[in-house]
Amino acid sequence: NAGVMQNPRHLVRRRGQEARLRCSPMKGHSHVYWYRQLPEEGLKFMVYLQKENIIDESGMPKERFSAEFPKEGPSILRIQQVVRGDSAAYFCASSLSSGSLKETQYFGPGTRLLVL
Amino acid sequence: QKEVEQNSGPLSVPEGAIASLNCTYSDRGSQSFFWYRQYSGKSPELIMFIYSNGDKEDGRFTAQLNKASQYVSLLIRDSQPSDSATYLCAVKIPGGYQKVTFGTGTKLQVIP
Repeated sequence: NAGVMQNPRHLVRRRGQEARLRCSPMKGHSHVYWYRQLPEEGLKFMVYLQKENIIDESGMPKERFSAEFPKEGPSILRIQQVVRGDSAAYFCASSLSSGSLKETQYFGPGTRLLVL
Repeated sequence: QKEVEQNSGPLSVPEGAIASLNCTYSDRGSQSFFWYRQYSGKSPELIMFIYSNGDKEDGRFTAQLNKASQYVSLLIRDSQPSDSATYLCAVKIPGGYQKVTFGTGTKLQVIP
C-alpha cells in the first residue's frame, strides 16, 4: 500500500492524558500536513512539516500541541493533557513537493480522537 | 472575508441531473484550485485540479475556473446517488510555499 498511512484509526483518551497520532506519507513524499476536522465542519490546517523541519505551524494551538517529522520514521502529532474539545478527526496529507502549481496533497484515512 | 467560501448546502438534485457546486476565493494571486470529495466518516479524495481559466473535463466532472471573477465551480453530470458527499474546494494561496486553504465544503444529496 503506497498510500498515506495513519494510525491509530481510532483513539480514545480520558481528559488529561496524552494522544499521539502517527502519519507515514506516501512513498517518495517528504512533505506532510496535518489538519483537524470537527464534526460537520471543514478542514482546518494545523501544521506543515518537511523532514526534520517545521515549515508552518500557524494553525497549531499554542499550548499542548506539537508536531515532528524526524529523519527516520513517521510524522507525529502530539496532544498533551487532552480536553473534550480536542475530540475530532485528524487528517494527515502528504505531497511530493510544495512549490509546483499542480502538486496535490493526498490524504490518509484519518485518526478519530475521542476524549472522554 | 474568508479566503475560500462555499455554500454549505445541502444541495439536493434528482438523479440524472447536473449538480453545480461553486466556490469563491479572495486572493487574486491564487493559481491552483482543487476539488476533493469527502464521504461521511471518510477522508478527502482528490477529484480534479485546475489552474488555467476555462473548463477542464474528466468523465462526468467538469471544473470551471474564472480568475477575473475569482470563482471556481464543479459540475457533475448525470448525478448518481453515489455522488452524495461533501465537496471541498481548495485553493493554493501564493506565498512562501503555496499553502493550500480549504473551504468548509458543500454537502450534495442526489435523490434517487
